[in-house]
Formats: sequence, C-alpha cells, structure tokens
Amino acid sequence: EVQLLESGGDLVQPGGSLRLSCVASGFTFSNHAMTWVRQAPGKGLEWVSAITPGGGATYYADSVRGRFTISRDDSKNTLYLQTNSLRAEDTAIYYCAKDRGSVIVAVPDFDCWGQGTLVTVSS
Amino acid sequence: QSVLTQPPSVSAAPGQKVTISCSGSSSNIGNNHVSWYQQLPGTAPKLLIHDNYERPSGIPDRFSGSKSGTSATLGITGLQTGDEADYYCLTWDSSLSAVVFGGGTKLTVL
Repeated sequence: EVQLLESGGDLVQPGGSLRLSCVASGFTFSNHAMTWVRQAPGKGLEWVSAITPGGGATYYADSVRGRFTISRDDSKNTLYLQTNSLRAEDTAIYYCAKDRGSVIVAVPDFDCWGQGTLVTVSS
Repeated sequence: QSVLTQPPSVSAAPGQKVTISCSGSSSNIGNNHVSWYQQLPGTAPKLLIHDNYERPSGIPDRFSGSKSGTSATLGITGLQTGDEADYYCLTWDSSLSAVVFGGGTKLTVL
C-alpha cells in the first residue's frame, strides 16, 4: 500500500523556520517526482513546490521562491521542505503528494497524498 | 486570484448530472494535461482524472473528464450525497514554469 507520512509542522513565530518531512512507502520512491501542496484554513489548494527524481529539477510557486527549499533523500525515501522567513500567510496544512511519473512539466498528476502537517505562523 | 477559473459552487439533485468547468489559457490548459481532484470535508485531496480524461483504477465511470482548447470539464453523473466535496482542476503553466490549481468548486447534492 502506498503511504505518505508528513511531519514537522508546528507553531512558529514570523521570520522563523521549519523543516517538513514526508516519508514514503509502498512504491519505488526514486522513480517518482514529488510535490508539496498547501491549504490555508478555509481556502483552496495551493501548489508550493515540486522535485523530480534524484533532485534533478526543482520548481517553486512565486509565493515561496527564495524562502522555501525542496529536497529529497532517495536512500531514505524521504521528501523535505525547508521553510524559512515564515510569514502569517504561510499558515496552512502542508500536504506531500506523489506524482504518477517522473516528470512534472506538462503532465503533473498527483495520485497519492499524505494526511498533511499543520504549520501555524503566529506571534 | 487563480490562473485557472472554476465556478465557486454548483448544485444538483441526487441522481442528476453536473459539470464543473475549468477555464485557462494557451500557456496552461491549452498545451498541457489537466487533472482533477476531489477533496471531501476534512480529508486530503484524491485524484479523480489524469491526462485530461483518464480515470485511475478504482474511480467509478460516473466521473469523466474532457478538454477543449483552453477549457476543461469534469462531469459527474448519478450524483450521490457522498459526492459532496470540493473539486479542483490542475495543470502545468508553461509561462510561470509552475503547477497551477483552479480556485475550487464546492458541489452540493441537494
């Protein structure tokens, strides 16, 4: 069974940092692109970042570029999102999701999602 | 403001059919594949349609997808109360070099 388990969400002050993790199981992690999607309270889904197998290519939403860094450790089946310079508007549930394939450009399809981890940015 | 435009809400009676539109441009829907997601209250999103009209295994054929030009449509037939959820379209935007979601559509089954 394919599973994704996020962790690392917490209450953090504005300007602070968090590292989110997503441990994958049930599939060959190194063959798939992975992504982070967030959802602010009561709002819609917002794509955050994506990474191809081996970390060959990374992509970011304009709202987080320069502050967030996506990475992966294929030996540990783990996806990461380093979040820096956090703002109140970054408050959201952060989901990791698996792409059906290895390519994000032109064909993003996210067929498995974790349960999410909550990041709250507040003083 | 989402790059992809969806109606905020749609509604229909049980057993009826509903369609949800997703409007974009040549930089996104017009030249890239569209997928659709269902998010039931309090749960993670679930893939319903990929590659414009393909259903993953386990998704009933009551759900269908289509694309024409710079718009895509999700169709749901034989509506059930369990279909009440938020629905999102998604694609790649070549100008932004980014994945983009529609703003989401809340389906109410009256």
